[in-house]
Amino acid sequence: DQQVKQNSPSLSVQEGRISILNCDYTNSMFDYFLWYKKYPAEGPTFLISISSIKDKNEDGRFTVFLNKSAKHLSLHIVPSQPGDSAVYFCAASARNSGYALNFGKGTSLLVTP
Amino acid sequence: DTGVSQDPRHKITKRGQNVTFRCDPISEHNRLYWYRQTLGQGPEFLTYFQNEAQLEKSRLLSDRFSAERPKGSFSTLEIQRTEQGDSAMYLCASSPGLAGGPTDTQYFGPGTRLTVL
Repeated sequence: DQQVKQNSPSLSVQEGRISILNCDYTNSMFDYFLWYKKYPAEGPTFLISISSIKDKNEDGRFTVFLNKSAKHLSLHIVPSQPGDSAVYFCAASARNSGYALNFGKGTSLLVTP
Repeated sequence: DTGVSQDPRHKITKRGQNVTFRCDPISEHNRLYWYRQTLGQGPEFLTYFQNEAQLEKSRLLSDRFSAERPKGSFSTLEIQRTEQGDSAMYLCASSPGLAGGPTDTQYFGPGTRLTVL
């Protein structure tokens, strides 16, 4: 059972524009959410996170929004750069499971010049 | 600190053979996690350690899989009698594991790519 879903397998955005990656979850026990970026043949790299007590967290060009009532989070990248091209994974965890991460299937972002 | 390291990076084996992977976490990270990633999927949780104690195992971790973290530092993941379905990327992650901390970010290693022929 997929508890974290990323329904868009791919996204293409022009350089300088905003990239919006979406993620939905089903488990109401999740209380910590993360975004990872992955290049081929490498492990996931931590990007940004948000606790369930917040609805927004910002770090430079990256902002994560959390809508708990809708069980939805999104990652905004502004402005997008060609180096942002990678697969982005949404992950969620719960305190009662040792914070083991539940990942979505990923969204492949392509930023074109 | 150089981050999480994993060895080997690639392993090709024949069906039925045993394989062992090693993970060295970021120093002083108390928690260590193992995940498996297959093509087109996100990483799937296998097991995790708090220091040397293995606290949780996923139902994905069949009896052929065993993990250890004997001194609370590096960890090994062994797969016995490998099957073709075991072919995947095996990822290790570590986190500080601060008591009561919800913001316990996991940092991943580069992974070990296993191919079972």
